[in-house]
Amino acid sequence: GNSVTQMEGPVTLSEEAFLTINCTYTATGYPSLFWYVQYPGEGLQLLLKATKADDKGSNKGFEATYRKETTSFHLEKGSVQVSDSAVYFCALRSYRQAGTALIFGKGTTLSVSS
Amino acid sequence: GAVVSQHPSRVICKSGTSVKIECRSLDFQATTMFWYRQFPKQSLMLMATSNEGSKATYEQGVEKDKFLINHASLTLSTLTVTSAHPEDSSFYICSANRQEANSPLHFGNGTRLTVT
Repeated sequence: GNSVTQMEGPVTLSEEAFLTINCTYTATGYPSLFWYVQYPGEGLQLLLKATKADDKGSNKGFEATYRKETTSFHLEKGSVQVSDSAVYFCALRSYRQAGTALIFGKGTTLSVSS
Repeated sequence: GAVVSQHPSRVICKSGTSVKIECRSLDFQATTMFWYRQFPKQSLMLMATSNEGSKATYEQGVEKDKFLINHASLTLSTLTVTSAHPEDSSFYICSANRQEANSPLHFGNGTRLTVT
C-alpha cells in the first residue's frame, strides 16, 4: 500500500543552521507530494507541494524536490529561524482527483533555538 | 484566511455522552471531506471519507457506529463521537479540497476532545 516515511525527530538546531528533513514514499502510479507544517496549538498548513517528477516546491525559504528515482521528497531550508519551530509532515496523494485523501508520515518536530 | 472552519476547537465531555464536531468549507463546495485523528506526538490517521449525499467510507479499524459522519450539504460535514470514552480523547481534524484536479487539501484547525 501507499506509505510515507520521514526521519524521526526531534530535530534541534541553532538559528541560521541548515535544515534537512528526509522523506521517502511508496506509492503506485504518480503521486502528488506535499509538506505540511503544524505550529504549536494550531492546525495544519500546506507548506509546499510538487505534482510530478523533478518538480521543486518552495515556500518561505523551504524547498523540496520530487525525486522519482529515489522516491524521495526531502525538505530543506538554508537558514532556519526560531519561528520555524513546528512539526513538519510529509504526505502524498495517490491520485489527482479531488476526492482522494492524503497519507501522512509520522511528523518530525523541529526545535530552533536562538 | 481560513477556507475550512472546524468547530468547536475544544470540548470536554463526560463518559457516555455524545459530541458533535462540525467541518465547513467556507468559500467552495466540497463533495468529499476527510476526517483525521491525531494522537499525541503521532501522525494523522485517516478515519473516514465523508461523501455528500451518501454514506461515509470508513478506514479499517474505525467503528462506524461510534464515529457517525453526516455530509448533508456541499459545505458541511459533521463527526459525532457517540457514547464517548476516555480513550476517544484525541485531536480530530477535518479537511476538504476544491473540485479541481491537484487542488491541495485544506485543513480545519482541529478539535481537541477530552473525555472525562
